[in-house]
Amino acid sequence: DAKTTQPNSMESNEEEPVHLPCNHSTISGTDYIHWYRQLPSQGPEYVIHGLTSNVNNRMASLAIAEDRKSSTLILHRATLRDAAVYYCILSDHTGANSKLTFGKGITLSVRP
Amino acid sequence: DGGITQSPKYLFRKEGQNVTLSCEQNLNHDAMYWYRQDPGQGLRLIYYSQIVNDFQKGDIAEGYSVSREKKESFPLTVTSAQKNPTAFYLCASSIGLGSGANVLTFGAGSRLTVL
Repeated sequence: DAKTTQPNSMESNEEEPVHLPCNHSTISGTDYIHWYRQLPSQGPEYVIHGLTSNVNNRMASLAIAEDRKSSTLILHRATLRDAAVYYCILSDHTGANSKLTFGKGITLSVRP
Repeated sequence: DGGITQSPKYLFRKEGQNVTLSCEQNLNHDAMYWYRQDPGQGLRLIYYSQIVNDFQKGDIAEGYSVSREKKESFPLTVTSAQKNPTAFYLCASSIGLGSGANVLTFGAGSRLTVL
């Protein structure tokens, strides 16, 4: 299964943009890139996903490198509520949601 | 509001006892999943089900059992054979399998502590 690599942690200041990186050098052509986040003692929640093109939604933006070997989740204005563990994962076209592997993710801290 | 309901939120069990965690969804999703999370770790897949009356083992199925008698329900039983059951258990669902674009919706989790 294709795997992802994320830094362990990152700090940001409130109301500033945050760029969370993810490396996935073994990604296949049909793997989607998904991001989820998990607040303390809660279940993960979906943030965004994409295949090749950059994506925007109300929560965040996803920038995908041209070779698809890396991607960046962008929070445009961090708030204290954005402090969470962010998971970058790959999901292949055969519907291997069953094989979704959540690593340790990156812990985002937001300073007031 | 549609979503996933897990119960109980907290559960204490004595060693040697089986315990069943409930997971109910009203999203009309076909696929359901159980994950386990240990402190400071990611999620590991226990079991998943694509359709009623069918389920598959995930990466850490030993010591666990599931059933899928109804589309809406996917209970997980933690048996006495599970050597280290203390963990945070998460249930999830998705429209189905078959597309990498499928998004998972998670419940709030059940925290099991073995005394």
